[in-house]
Amino acid sequence: GAVVSQHPSRVICKSGTSVKIECRSLDFQATTMFWYRQFPKKSLMLMATSNEGSKATYEQGVEKDKFLINHASLTLSTLTVTSAHPEDSSFYICSARGSSGRGETQYFGPGTRLLVL
Amino acid sequence: AQSVTQLGSHVSVSEGALVLLRCNYSSSVPPYLFWYVQYPNQGLQLLLKYTSAATLVKGINGFEAEFKKSETSFHLTKPSAHMSDAAEYFCAVTPTGSNQFYFGTGTSLTVIP
Repeated sequence: GAVVSQHPSRVICKSGTSVKIECRSLDFQATTMFWYRQFPKKSLMLMATSNEGSKATYEQGVEKDKFLINHASLTLSTLTVTSAHPEDSSFYICSARGSSGRGETQYFGPGTRLLVL
Repeated sequence: AQSVTQLGSHVSVSEGALVLLRCNYSSSVPPYLFWYVQYPNQGLQLLLKYTSAATLVKGINGFEAEFKKSETSFHLTKPSAHMSDAAEYFCAVTPTGSNQFYFGTGTSLTVIP
């Protein structure tokens, strides 16, 4: 199957700092990438959809100025949590959807655990 | 509107027993359906998917699911549970031609030795 990586896998930061999370599709070109947030023992909440070379589409209630998404290439999308606060602590998961050859499947990264102190 | 319902947030089975995790969907157009598994502190791994081909879909680790249009269901089964099957399972639906994935709330599977 397709491989999606995320870096870092775990990050601890101080309140007020910014954190960047990378999502890479390793063996296919991802025309679309998705960013999810998952709270403990909860399902995934879609935060935004990003298409390569265009602005991300944010879901209702997600602050686009706080969660900056860049999808500069067909294999890399980044999520930057700006001025992080403790309530931003969560598990962030990205997924990537390839070209028609991959069908409709989304392939998920292993997730990034963010803890804001 | 699309939605996915997973009945039973927690399911416990004995090792060797049948696993049945339920998923019902509502969709205005024929959807694609997926089951994903999530182990603690990990991302989601695709178990299987239905994309309008055979209604009985076989996936990894001995899991399979059957698409029943009349019941709008896509239940996940495995004949014999292993301890390693203990995890969180998510059903998801995406309408054909759409980027949007709609996830169920998940079912936590516990396997009792």
